[in-house]
Amino acid sequence: SQTIHQWPATLVQPVGSPLSLECTVEGTSNPNLYWYRQAAGRGLQLLFYSVGIGQISSEVPQNLSASRPQDRQFILSSKKLLLSDSGFYLCAWRGKGGKEQYFGPGTRLTVT
Amino acid sequence: GENVEQHPSTLSVQEGDSAVIKCTYSDSASNYFPWYKQELGKRPQLIIDIRSNVGEKKDQRIAVTLNKTAKHFSLHITETQPEDSAVYFCAASPPVPTNAGKSTFGDGTTLTVKP
Repeated sequence: SQTIHQWPATLVQPVGSPLSLECTVEGTSNPNLYWYRQAAGRGLQLLFYSVGIGQISSEVPQNLSASRPQDRQFILSSKKLLLSDSGFYLCAWRGKGGKEQYFGPGTRLTVT
Repeated sequence: GENVEQHPSTLSVQEGDSAVIKCTYSDSASNYFPWYKQELGKRPQLIIDIRSNVGEKKDQRIAVTLNKTAKHFSLHITETQPEDSAVYFCAASPPVPTNAGKSTFGDGTTLTVKP
């Protein structure tokens, strides 16, 4: 069966510090991968998506970036965090031939 | 692009009553409509979905209906229980090759079931 991992689970970082969040998927190959952010009490904002290694599409302009160095690895990064980057970051995957989209456990980021 | 509207934003019901959440979508290319339940501090979990060639689907106390002509779909929860309290999200998705299969989510409905 497929499993999706995210780490770290929680993170507290000062403004201006760098960020690296990692997401890995097991049990499937060549998935579509997605990064979402959820502010407290709000909906799901799609940040980036990837259909394959090295292929990244950005949905909103911001100080975040994403990379996909391996088929089942998706990384979210920032060189300098802003207070507004605080939130719950969710990675998700969807199979090329499938319908369902599944979310990882999420990383709760607090920028202080 | 796709636009999904979800109503109501909050819903409070008595235990045992039914709850209905409605969503509308704009892109006729969307052919897959999942519903997610998110408990506080946790990830959204897929609870039921429906594909465009089906009008209704039921799983125990949960059912989803789809009206493709009107571009709207609804989640129905019967005999609600306190553990049904959560935020519910609807979504509309195109076939995966189209637009990378990106799902467009509604803004969520906070359901509270009072004992």
